[in-house]
Amino acid sequence: QKEVEQNSGPLSVPEGAIASLNCTYSDRGSQSFFWYRQYSGKSPELIMSIYSNGDKEDGRFTAQLNKASQYVSLLIRDSQPSDSATYLCAVISSGSARQLTFGSGTQLTVLP
Amino acid sequence: GAGVSQSPSNKVTEKGKDVELRCDPISGHTALYWYRQSLGQGLEFLIYFQGNSAPDKSGLPSDRFSAERTGGSVSTLTIQRTQQEDSAVYLCASSRPGGLGSPLHFGNGTRLTVT
Repeated sequence: QKEVEQNSGPLSVPEGAIASLNCTYSDRGSQSFFWYRQYSGKSPELIMSIYSNGDKEDGRFTAQLNKASQYVSLLIRDSQPSDSATYLCAVISSGSARQLTFGSGTQLTVLP
Repeated sequence: GAGVSQSPSNKVTEKGKDVELRCDPISGHTALYWYRQSLGQGLEFLIYFQGNSAPDKSGLPSDRFSAERTGGSVSTLTIQRTQQEDSAVYLCASSRPGGLGSPLHFGNGTRLTVT
């Protein structure tokens, strides 16, 4: 069983719509959760971090964390073609010496 | 300050040769990771350094791969007797100490091509 799971997609949404990206994790003791965006041919860049249950908003991005259900999601409002990228979920587990585990990513395409 | 710096940005080598990839993390960042990403694939964890602790080498795919981190700063990833399947982008990332866990900052990667 993978520690961090994401739907690989591709996920397509029309410009201006809300894009919803989901991630589940296996370690109930996980404490820290991150969303990275990776454009084709580029390195991942951090867009959101969340540590507590609930919602965290930053501009058009909202991260949602539900530790009881072990999922974290990312909502992108008013999606733009420039949001087209692969979105990676990353989790810091409680007992992992490695600390940070990435999901395989969800490819998002925003259609003009 | 400066971000994570990796060199070279591109490396083309012949099968069987050894290569060294360098990573210079952000100053003050105690954690350093190496990942590999093949075309169209996700991040493959290779190795993790945290301060003076023994590194987590569980992701290294074979004994041809090794890494060291001198003085808790610069890290070098060495691939001996390269094979074509080693062709990928090698990404280095670092993070600062943090109670709840700090996010990673990635370098621009080294694109390795083995011919």
